[in-house]
Amino acid sequence: DTAVSQTPKYLVTQMGNDKSIKCEQNLGHDTMYWYKQDSKKFLKIMFSYNNKELIINETVPNRFSPKSPDKAHLNLHINSLELGDSAVYFCASSQGLVIVYEQYFGPGTRLTVT
Amino acid sequence: GDSVTQMEGPVTLSEEAFLTINCTYTATGYPSLFWYVQYPGEGLQLLLKATKADDKGSNKGFEATYRKETTSFHLEKGSVQVSDSAVYFCALWGEGAQKLVFGQGTRLTINP
Repeated sequence: DTAVSQTPKYLVTQMGNDKSIKCEQNLGHDTMYWYKQDSKKFLKIMFSYNNKELIINETVPNRFSPKSPDKAHLNLHINSLELGDSAVYFCASSQGLVIVYEQYFGPGTRLTVT
Repeated sequence: GDSVTQMEGPVTLSEEAFLTINCTYTATGYPSLFWYVQYPGEGLQLLLKATKADDKGSNKGFEATYRKETTSFHLEKGSVQVSDSAVYFCALWGEGAQKLVFGQGTRLTINP
Protein backbone atom coordinates (compact mmCIF):
# COMPACT_ATOMS: atom_id res chain seq x y z
CA ASP A 1 0.00 0.00 0.00
CA THR A 2 1.19 3.48 -0.87
CA ALA A 3 1.88 5.49 2.29
CA VAL A 4 1.53 8.99 0.82
CA SER A 5 -0.24 9.28 -2.51
CA GLN A 6 -0.82 12.26 -4.78
CA THR A 7 -3.07 12.81 -7.76
CA PRO A 8 -2.52 13.60 -10.48
CA LYS A 9 1.07 12.64 -11.18
CA TYR A 10 1.27 15.02 -14.14
CA LEU A 11 -0.74 18.18 -14.74
CA VAL A 12 -0.44 20.32 -17.84
CA THR A 13 -2.58 23.43 -18.02
CA GLN A 14 -2.72 26.95 -19.38
CA MET A 15 -2.04 30.23 -17.65
CA GLY A 16 -5.03 31.62 -15.82
CA ASN A 17 -6.64 28.25 -15.09
CA ASP A 18 -7.49 26.92 -11.63
CA LYS A 19 -6.30 23.45 -10.64
CA SER A 20 -6.14 21.19 -7.60
CA ILE A 21 -3.70 18.54 -6.43
CA LYS A 22 -4.86 15.94 -3.95
CA CYS A 23 -2.83 14.23 -1.25
CA GLU A 24 -3.76 11.32 1.00
CA GLN A 25 -1.74 9.47 3.63
CA ASN A 26 -2.68 6.14 5.20
CA LEU A 27 -0.06 6.23 7.95
CA GLY A 28 -2.30 7.70 10.63
CA HIS A 29 -0.10 10.80 10.85
CA ASP A 30 -1.24 14.08 12.36
CA THR A 31 0.91 16.42 10.29
CA MET A 32 1.00 17.04 6.56
CA TYR A 33 3.08 19.33 4.34
CA TRP A 34 3.27 20.75 0.85
CA TYR A 35 6.67 21.39 -0.75
CA LYS A 36 7.59 22.98 -4.07
CA GLN A 37 10.60 21.75 -6.04
CA ASP A 38 11.71 24.07 -8.82
CA SER A 39 13.50 23.22 -12.05
CA LYS A 40 16.88 23.35 -10.30
CA LYS A 41 15.71 20.75 -7.76
CA PHE A 42 15.57 23.32 -4.96
CA LEU A 43 12.97 22.14 -2.44
CA LYS A 44 11.09 24.54 -0.20
CA ILE A 45 8.22 24.12 2.22
CA MET A 46 4.96 25.89 1.37
CA PHE A 47 2.50 24.83 4.06
CA SER A 48 2.18 22.53 7.02
CA TYR A 49 -0.95 21.36 8.82
CA ASN A 50 -1.22 19.69 12.19
CA ASN A 51 -4.55 18.08 13.09
CA LYS A 52 -6.16 20.03 10.27
CA GLU A 53 -4.83 23.35 11.60
CA LEU A 54 -2.54 25.53 9.47
CA ILE A 55 0.86 25.82 11.15
CA ILE A 56 3.21 27.14 8.48
CA ASN A 57 2.45 29.38 5.52
CA GLU A 58 5.77 30.29 3.94
CA THR A 59 4.84 33.57 2.25
CA VAL A 60 3.12 31.69 -0.52
CA PRO A 61 0.90 33.81 -2.84
CA ASN A 62 -2.77 33.90 -1.94
CA ARG A 63 -3.50 32.07 -5.18
CA PHE A 64 -2.39 28.90 -3.36
CA SER A 65 -4.94 27.61 -0.88
CA PRO A 66 -4.42 24.38 1.03
CA LYS A 67 -7.41 22.54 2.42
CA SER A 68 -7.40 19.76 4.95
CA PRO A 69 -10.82 18.08 5.17
CA ASP A 70 -9.47 15.53 7.65
CA LYS A 71 -6.12 14.46 9.06
CA ALA A 72 -5.50 12.02 6.20
CA HIS A 73 -5.93 14.53 3.39
CA LEU A 74 -4.29 17.79 2.42
CA ASN A 75 -5.25 19.21 -0.94
CA LEU A 76 -3.69 22.14 -2.75
CA HIS A 77 -5.79 24.44 -4.88
CA ILE A 78 -4.12 26.96 -7.16
CA ASN A 79 -6.01 29.85 -8.75
CA SER A 80 -5.02 31.85 -11.79
CA LEU A 81 -2.00 29.73 -12.63
CA GLU A 82 1.16 31.48 -13.77
CA LEU A 83 4.20 30.25 -15.71
CA GLY A 84 6.29 30.48 -12.54
CA ASP A 85 4.06 27.93 -10.84
CA SER A 86 5.55 25.21 -13.03
CA ALA A 87 7.32 22.86 -10.64
CA VAL A 88 7.05 19.51 -8.92
CA TYR A 89 4.84 19.65 -5.83
CA PHE A 90 5.43 17.13 -3.06
CA CYS A 91 3.11 16.23 -0.25
CA ALA A 92 4.57 14.76 2.93
CA SER A 93 3.35 13.60 6.30
CA SER A 94 4.79 12.92 9.74
CA GLN A 95 3.53 11.66 13.06
CA GLY A 96 3.88 15.09 14.64
CA LEU A 97 5.40 18.51 14.25
CA VAL A 98 8.65 17.84 16.05
CA ILE A 99 11.95 16.73 14.68
CA VAL A 100 11.94 13.19 16.06
CA TYR A 101 9.29 12.22 13.53
CA GLU A 102 10.44 11.29 10.05
CA GLN A 103 8.67 12.88 7.11
CA TYR A 104 7.30 10.57 4.44
CA PHE A 105 7.02 12.03 0.96
CA GLY A 106 4.60 11.33 -1.84
CA PRO A 107 5.81 10.69 -5.41
CA GLY A 108 5.20 14.27 -6.50
CA THR A 109 2.95 16.06 -9.00
CA ARG A 110 4.68 17.67 -11.96
CA LEU A 111 2.76 20.82 -12.87
CA THR A 112 3.45 22.46 -16.21
CA VAL A 113 1.84 25.80 -16.98
CA THR A 114 1.91 26.85 -20.64
CA GLY B 1 17.66 32.46 8.86
CA ASP B 2 18.72 28.85 8.73
CA SER B 3 20.26 27.65 5.48
CA VAL B 4 22.00 24.65 3.94
CA THR B 5 24.60 24.67 1.18
CA GLN B 6 25.54 21.55 -0.77
CA MET B 7 28.25 20.98 -3.32
CA GLU B 8 27.19 21.72 -6.86
CA GLY B 9 26.33 18.77 -9.02
CA PRO B 10 26.07 16.80 -11.05
CA VAL B 11 28.54 14.28 -9.71
CA THR B 12 29.49 11.34 -11.91
CA LEU B 13 31.50 8.40 -10.58
CA SER B 14 32.38 4.88 -11.60
CA GLU B 15 31.04 1.93 -9.68
CA GLU B 16 33.03 1.12 -6.52
CA ALA B 17 34.43 4.66 -6.29
CA PHE B 18 34.50 6.60 -3.02
CA LEU B 19 31.79 9.21 -2.65
CA THR B 20 31.76 12.49 -0.76
CA ILE B 21 28.99 15.06 -1.05
CA ASN B 22 29.72 18.17 0.96
CA CYS B 23 27.11 19.90 3.08
CA THR B 24 27.51 22.93 5.32
CA TYR B 25 24.86 24.76 7.27
CA THR B 26 24.06 28.02 8.98
CA ALA B 27 21.83 27.88 12.03
CA THR B 28 21.64 29.15 15.57
CA GLY B 29 21.94 26.69 18.40
CA TYR B 30 21.98 22.98 17.72
CA PRO B 31 19.96 21.91 14.70
CA SER B 32 19.26 18.32 13.74
CA LEU B 33 20.77 17.30 10.39
CA PHE B 34 19.52 14.95 7.69
CA TRP B 35 20.29 13.43 4.34
CA TYR B 36 17.37 12.59 2.08
CA VAL B 37 17.59 10.69 -1.22
CA GLN B 38 15.30 11.03 -4.23
CA TYR B 39 15.42 8.18 -6.74
CA PRO B 40 14.22 8.89 -10.28
CA GLY B 41 10.48 9.44 -10.43
CA GLU B 42 9.99 9.07 -6.68
CA GLY B 43 9.54 11.21 -3.60
CA LEU B 44 12.25 11.84 -1.03
CA GLN B 45 13.25 9.20 1.49
CA LEU B 46 15.15 9.72 4.69
CA LEU B 47 18.64 8.24 4.30
CA LEU B 48 20.20 9.10 7.65
CA LYS B 49 20.17 11.69 10.41
CA ALA B 50 22.13 13.06 13.37
CA THR B 51 20.59 15.05 16.17
CA LYS B 52 23.60 16.26 18.13
CA ALA B 53 27.22 17.24 17.62
CA ASP B 54 29.65 14.39 16.87
CA ASP B 55 26.80 11.97 16.16
CA LYS B 56 27.30 9.77 13.13
CA GLY B 57 24.28 8.79 11.06
CA SER B 58 24.57 5.70 8.87
CA ASN B 59 22.39 3.66 6.54
CA LYS B 60 22.88 1.48 3.44
CA GLY B 61 26.65 2.01 3.57
CA PHE B 62 26.32 5.81 3.70
CA GLU B 63 27.66 7.80 6.65
CA ALA B 64 27.68 11.42 7.78
CA THR B 65 29.10 12.96 10.95
CA TYR B 66 27.65 16.08 12.59
CA ARG B 67 30.59 18.49 12.94
CA LYS B 68 29.63 21.50 15.00
CA GLU B 69 33.06 23.13 14.75
CA THR B 70 32.93 23.21 10.94
CA THR B 71 29.11 23.35 10.67
CA SER B 72 29.24 20.43 8.27
CA PHE B 73 27.47 17.14 7.62
CA HIS B 74 29.26 15.60 4.64
CA LEU B 75 27.83 12.41 3.12
CA GLU B 76 30.27 9.57 2.37
CA LYS B 77 30.18 6.06 1.00
CA GLY B 78 33.15 3.81 0.51
CA SER B 79 32.04 1.99 -2.64
CA VAL B 80 29.12 3.27 -4.67
CA GLN B 81 26.84 1.17 -6.84
CA VAL B 82 24.81 1.97 -9.94
CA SER B 83 21.69 1.77 -7.78
CA ASP B 84 22.95 4.75 -5.74
CA SER B 85 22.26 7.06 -8.69
CA ALA B 86 19.81 9.63 -7.34
CA VAL B 87 19.52 13.20 -6.09
CA TYR B 88 20.77 13.71 -2.52
CA PHE B 89 19.49 16.48 -0.26
CA CYS B 90 21.05 17.73 2.92
CA ALA B 91 18.56 19.29 5.36
CA LEU B 92 18.33 20.74 8.82
CA TRP B 93 15.65 21.25 11.44
CA GLY B 94 16.60 24.19 13.61
CA GLU B 95 16.21 24.39 17.36
CA GLY B 96 12.63 25.36 18.12
CA ALA B 97 11.75 25.26 14.44
CA GLN B 98 8.75 23.66 12.83
CA LYS B 99 10.13 22.83 9.41
CA LEU B 100 12.93 21.23 7.43
CA VAL B 101 15.24 23.50 5.45
CA PHE B 102 16.78 21.78 2.43
CA GLY B 103 19.93 22.31 0.44
CA GLN B 104 19.73 22.58 -3.32
CA GLY B 105 20.27 18.88 -3.96
CA THR B 106 23.17 17.08 -5.64
CA ARG B 107 22.54 14.76 -8.56
CA LEU B 108 24.73 11.65 -8.43
CA THR B 109 25.21 9.33 -11.41
CA ILE B 110 27.14 6.09 -11.06
CA ASN B 111 28.40 4.45 -14.24
CA PRO B 112 29.02 0.69 -14.44
